[in-house]
Order: sequence, then C-alpha cells, then structure tokens
Amino acid sequence: KNEVEQSPQNLTAQEGEFITINCSYSVGISALHWLQQHPGGGIVSLFMLSSGKKKHGRLIATINIQEKHSSLHITASHPRDSAVYICAVKGTDKLIFGTGTRLQVFP
Amino acid sequence: GAGVSQSPRYKVAKRGQDVALRCDPISGHVSLFWYQQALGQGPEFLTYFQNEAQLDKSGLPSDRFFAERPEGSVSTLKIQRTQQEDSAVYLCASSLLDYYNEQFFGPGTRLTVL
Repeated sequence: KNEVEQSPQNLTAQEGEFITINCSYSVGISALHWLQQHPGGGIVSLFMLSSGKKKHGRLIATINIQEKHSSLHITASHPRDSAVYICAVKGTDKLIFGTGTRLQVFP
Repeated sequence: GAGVSQSPRYKVAKRGQDVALRCDPISGHVSLFWYQQALGQGPEFLTYFQNEAQLDKSGLPSDRFFAERPEGSVSTLKIQRTQQEDSAVYLCASSLLDYYNEQFFGPGTRLTVL
C-alpha cells in the first residue's frame, strides 16, 4: 500500500464544474503540499498546509490531520486547469509523493 | 530568471553512456533536492544537499548514480553506464533554508535511454 494515495487517478470535467481531488496518507507528517504539473514536467507549488484550509483564487485546499486526509478543490474549472495534480507529504526527513491525478477540463 | 533551472531539458543516451544533468537553484537557496519521476508516477526522492554537504543520498537507486554540489550552488547529477530503466524525468528543487521550507521545482530533464 502506498504511503500517499490520491483519488481519482483520472478526472474529466466540463468547463465551469466544481472539482475535488482527494489525498490520503498513512504516515505522520509535518506538512502537506499540493503541486501542479503541466505537460513538459514543470512543477508548481500550489499550497503547503499543516492544518485547516487555504484559498488562492479558485483553488481551495483543506487538511484533516486526525483523519490523515486532504482535498484540493477547484471552483469554476477552466481548460487551463488541465494538468496533473500531485499531493506530497513531509515525512520525517523527505517528501513522499502521490502518483498524481490527471485532470482534463473541456470547453 | 529567478526560478530553478535545469539543463539539458531533454537528453537521449545510448545504453552504457554516462550522462550529467545540471541544476541551478534559486540564488541564495541553501537546500537542493533531486527527484526521479518515472512515466505516470509521482516523483521519488533521490538525494538532498544543504550547501555543499550531501545530507541524504538514501534514494539513489544504485552506485551508478552520483550527485555533487561542490560550491553549494549548482548541482550535477551523474549517471554512469545508463540503463533503460534510468529513463525518467529528473527534477531538481531548492528551498531557502532546509527541508521544512517550501520547495521550488525546476522544469526537469527528460532522460531517454535507448
């Protein structure tokens, strides 16, 4: 069993839809990252959070430490949101990554 | 630019060749990380430097992999006698101080071993 699991693995949506991507982890962590990876490999950090909720534009990230679960929400999705979204947790000494959720938003 | 840069962006090697991948971290960033990302997978940790000191190399998959950061800035990941299973995107990230700070990622080097 992977230490970080994401669901769904693949997600398609129509422009304007509300999107939720989930991340569950099994190790103790100090923080959790949500990352966005576009084709070509570049990774952008969206959020780093250790409790509660953070919002940036149309993106919202929440984390429940007790349940070892985090969600990334995208409101009013747009085709430019199409990317792979990766959850990564800070364990004791290194980042542990999920395998990513591939999101495609169609106009 | 002010971000992390990596070169080359794409590298094709014949099996058995040696390759060297370069990472230029954000100026002033103390920590530097290398990750390997196989197709369809999330990145996996390879090694971590704080300044010129390699504090953790537990993720390097074999002794064919070697990383250095001799002056505490630019880092090179070297792979000797490349194998097909080495084909992956190699990502570099840097952070201001240590592991607990946010990491900023470079665009990656896509290595294909034929």
